[in-house]
Amino acid sequence: SAVISQKPSRDICQRGTSLTIQCQVDSQVTMMFWYRQQPGQSLTLIATANQGSEATYESGFVIDKFPISRPNLTFSTLTVSNMSPEDSSIYLCSVGYSGASSYEQYFGPGTRLTVT
Amino acid sequence: DAKTTQPTSMDCAEGRAANLPCNHSTISGNEYVYWYRQIHSQGPQYIIHGLKNNETNEMASLIITEDRKSSTLILPHATLRDTAVYYCIVRPTSNTGNQFYFGTGTSLTVIP
Repeated sequence: SAVISQKPSRDICQRGTSLTIQCQVDSQVTMMFWYRQQPGQSLTLIATANQGSEATYESGFVIDKFPISRPNLTFSTLTVSNMSPEDSSIYLCSVGYSGASSYEQYFGPGTRLTVT
Repeated sequence: DAKTTQPTSMDCAEGRAANLPCNHSTISGNEYVYWYRQIHSQGPQYIIHGLKNNETNEMASLIITEDRKSSTLILPHATLRDTAVYYCIVRPTSNTGNQFYFGTGTSLTVIP
């Protein structure tokens, strides 16, 4: 299994500012994803982070609000831009390995964001 | 979109087996059933997955019905540390996408 770390683990931010969350994996992975978990809710997929190209966003999420970078096979960032209190959530990075017909996806510990 | 239906919550006595059901009546032939759990304030943790046959590992057993329209996750001897939200997910076997779409899950409370 992969070991995934996220920075910061939590933050309190002012409305209108931006926060960049980092995700680091201890091994090269093919797939990296970003999820959001609003208070008391399940996980919602934001986007797939593609190495060397633009991320693929799910319906309801746009690049201007959640720009994503993935410069190599072990690292990705998610920025939450122009934050509002509605962006208060846990943001989770996950990774997966392609090449197998059935594979497992591993999750980081999450970044707990509070916007005031 | 999530393709599974699970009860919102369940209780289980410590030391007893916890049986968590999941309905996936629209599952396709090439889709696996995955189970994850999320303990409070942590990221989801992989438990087990299967396609057609029943599966067992050190954490749990997965029983999939013959028509594959439902499955049951079994924790054979539940402990207090098994209290968590359990998610049942279906995912295609192809390598395209690989995204997991989470439903609402079942909140399992293990009672002393």
